[in-house]
Amino acid sequence: EAAVTQSPRSKVAVTGGKVTLSCHQTNNHDYMYWYRQDTGHGLRLIHYSYVADSTEKGDIPDGYKASRPSQENFSLILELASLSQTAVYFCASSETGTNSDYTFGSGTRLLVI
Amino acid sequence: QEKVQQSPESLIVPEGAMSSLNCTFSNSASQSIWWYQQHPGKGPEALISIFSNGNKKEGRLTVYLNRASLHVSLHIRDSQPSDSAVYLCAVASSGSWQLIFGSGTQLTVMP
Repeated sequence: EAAVTQSPRSKVAVTGGKVTLSCHQTNNHDYMYWYRQDTGHGLRLIHYSYVADSTEKGDIPDGYKASRPSQENFSLILELASLSQTAVYFCASSETGTNSDYTFGSGTRLLVI
Repeated sequence: QEKVQQSPESLIVPEGAMSSLNCTFSNSASQSIWWYQQHPGKGPEALISIFSNGNKKEGRLTVYLNRASLHVSLHIRDSQPSDSAVYLCAVASSGSWQLIFGSGTQLTVMP
């Protein structure tokens, strides 16, 4: 079954540390996205990619980097984690961008202390 | 940038009732409009989409889109306790690569 798998499911990180969130899709989709979800803010786009080895900034990219080494894998990197980055992070993939539905992973709950 | 607002923030209905959720957006040139369902601890799942003015029906779900009033609604007929979830409205702006999500409506269906 086509799927988007995120790891880890949850993580506690210390302020100033480096955090890497991983995402793997078996959908053979070109588009991949990283969103964060905070109470009252819905989903906000951090970075996205429409082809391997290329990433684009979304609406809230500050403090985050992204990496797409292959069509299947998309990582989100927090070089210097901060308290304000405590949130739930979702990865998604889609076939043709906004004209096709997004398949989301189950999320990574990140707590920065 | 596109802005998406949802109402109400929360909705409680009895089992078997009609649930009606609303969404307004800021750009009449928006392309596709999607509704997603999100259960606790899970990622959102696409329910239904609409591209053209008018309505679209799939099973117990009906979506109405009025671009002139920048409004889309989702109606769930014969609501079930398993429908209890957060419902997210998402809009694709013309020329954009991304969906813009609203902050959601928490639906609770009481048995």
